[in-house]
This record gives sequence, C-alpha cells and structure tokens, in this order.
Amino acid sequence: DSGVTQTPKHLITATGQRVTLRCSPRSGDLSVYWYQQSLDQGLQFLIQYYNGEERAKGNILERFSAQQFPDLHSELNLSSLELGDSALYFCASSVSWELPYNEQFFGPGTRLTVL
Amino acid sequence: GQSLEQPSEVTAVEGAIVQINCTYQTSGFYGLSWYQQHDGGAPTFLSYNGLDGLEETGRFSSFLSRSDSYGYLLLQELQMKDSASYFCAVNTDSGYALNFGKGTSLLVTP
Repeated sequence: DSGVTQTPKHLITATGQRVTLRCSPRSGDLSVYWYQQSLDQGLQFLIQYYNGEERAKGNILERFSAQQFPDLHSELNLSSLELGDSALYFCASSVSWELPYNEQFFGPGTRLTVL
Repeated sequence: GQSLEQPSEVTAVEGAIVQINCTYQTSGFYGLSWYQQHDGGAPTFLSYNGLDGLEETGRFSSFLSRSDSYGYLLLQELQMKDSASYFCAVNTDSGYALNFGKGTSLLVTP
C-alpha cells in the first residue's frame, strides 16, 4: 500500500458523459501527478499539481481538467467522454517536485470504461 | 520531442538473470527511473540513476550511460513473482513528471 488513495476503483459510463476521479496523496506529499494508461499508449503523463498550483501539463486533452484542493486532494474531471478515453487512470504523489529525484508513489488507479 | 525504447516482451527462466534495456532521446535529461507494475496494479519504484554507472538494490541493479543515452535494469535470481511489466522513465531538468516508455512484459517460467 503506497498510501495514495483513489476513488472510485471502477467507473462505467456512456459516451458524452462527464466523470470525476478523486485522489488523496500520501500524508506530507505536496505534489500530485495524473497519468493515463491505455493498452496501446502505455503510461502517459497528464498533469501535475504542487501545493494547489498547476506545475506541468503533459498530453492532457482540453476535455480534461484537474485541480488540487487546499487539503491537497486532487480531482481529475473528464468530460464529453469518448470510447477512446477508456483507460486506467493513476494518481501519484511525491514530497516535492524539485530535483534531485523524488520518488513517485502511485495509487491503485481508477479503471474507466466508456460504453 | 522525447522517446524511450524498450523491448516489449522478455521471457526468462526462474533463477536466471535478465537484462531489460532502455534507450532514450530527450532534451534536458536528468535521470532514469525504473518502475515495476504487476498486472493492473499500481507502478512501484525500483531504482533511479542520476549518474553514470551501476546502482544495486538487492536482486535488482540499474545502469546508466549518459553518453550512450542508454540504461538497463538487471534482475538476478529471478523468481516467479518477478513476472510483471517494467518501465523505464525519464526525468528531465524541468523537474516535473516522469516520461515513461511503453514497458517490457517479463514472463518468468519454471
């Protein structure tokens, strides 16, 4: 158990709908990262927050957005869902974002299925 | 842009040694990480190389050559539980997230 929690574990929805995925980082971690894992694309970085502020954006679609709240939990919002959005979404956290290296701790993931 | 290349699949026998290679092309390279992921589970950190050379952690070792843009993960005394996917990931000097390769699926057979 990494100490990172994600809810829900599974989510099944229809195309065109909107969903919210939730992540609570490890106690003391200020940085939260979101990743998408699909069969053909591997692990893709979406977005990172540090202490409530957006730090970096990766391959995140405009239909997707995220935020980190004062209690440091984060939410990833996916809207106008398409079949191709079906994937495993991971949240990870680390103490900081600065170098030298900070190990990232991954949550168990949310499996999203869009029908 | 950035790219990471690693073999898609590797098979090895229990008790043997296996090496998983990773080559990368990226600007602002800072270090190479390795993560393990069992089927459908959360990736877990194995090793990090910020400098050239070998880092050893128990049965696992990782190597980096910056001049060759190359690294590898070495797994010794393979056990059945080592069957998993292994990802190399690049840290860049932007300091932010990891850029992962597509992973190597390791199958350990009896």
